[in-house]
Amino acid sequence: SYVLTQPPSVSVAPGQTARITCGGNNIGSKSVHWYQQKPGQAPVLVVYDDSDRPSGIPERFSGSNSGNTATLTISRVEAGDEADYYCQVWDSSSDQGVFGGGTKLTVL
Amino acid sequence: QLQLQESGSGLVKPSQTLSLTCAVSGGSISSGGYSWSWIRQPPGKGLEWIGYIYHSGSTYYNPSLKSRVTISVDRSKNQFSLKLSSVTAADTAVYYCARVGGLTLDSYYFDYWGQGTLVTVSS
Repeated sequence: SYVLTQPPSVSVAPGQTARITCGGNNIGSKSVHWYQQKPGQAPVLVVYDDSDRPSGIPERFSGSNSGNTATLTISRVEAGDEADYYCQVWDSSSDQGVFGGGTKLTVL
Repeated sequence: QLQLQESGSGLVKPSQTLSLTCAVSGGSISSGGYSWSWIRQPPGKGLEWIGYIYHSGSTYYNPSLKSRVTISVDRSKNQFSLKLSSVTAADTAVYYCARVGGLTLDSYYFDYWGQGTLVTVSS
């Protein structure tokens, strides 16, 4: 089955830019979606279809996808962005949804 | 605003069947051609896709759970359900229901989520 690989943790200072990667075989050919999950809460969609933002999500959140790596970029990071982030795709070869293992973003 | 709410037993004995329901409010489960999904998260771990039911009634399940999972829709009650049989402690998790926002598998994401419900498998 298709595997998505994320770094376990990323740390960034407030006001800086955080980049969270999601690796997968030829992931650039798939649509990648990103979720933010704060402790004790349900995940929230922050980017869909590689780079689109749902209404209500700040422009500071952006996404890109090419080759074997998709990236979620959070600009001007705030303390409130501290959370776990998950990437997700649909794997058509096995007909299943697939999540990455998650990345814990720490705001220093 | 669409809202989803999970309900069901929070404690299930090993080898029994886990049953959960997701009530949808603020919109019809039958409108818009949307599909509906279940996702779970073991304590302290990541998200795992369980399966989904297409608006036509077709279902797709995680291959690792396929032999034990059934997802169904009750359109008259505007809700959908999950049954997971022969549970073990490994099935202990927070279970989320969610709407599939994209209308094709090329754009398959979850745009509305329930708050989640913890199901513990223990004797």
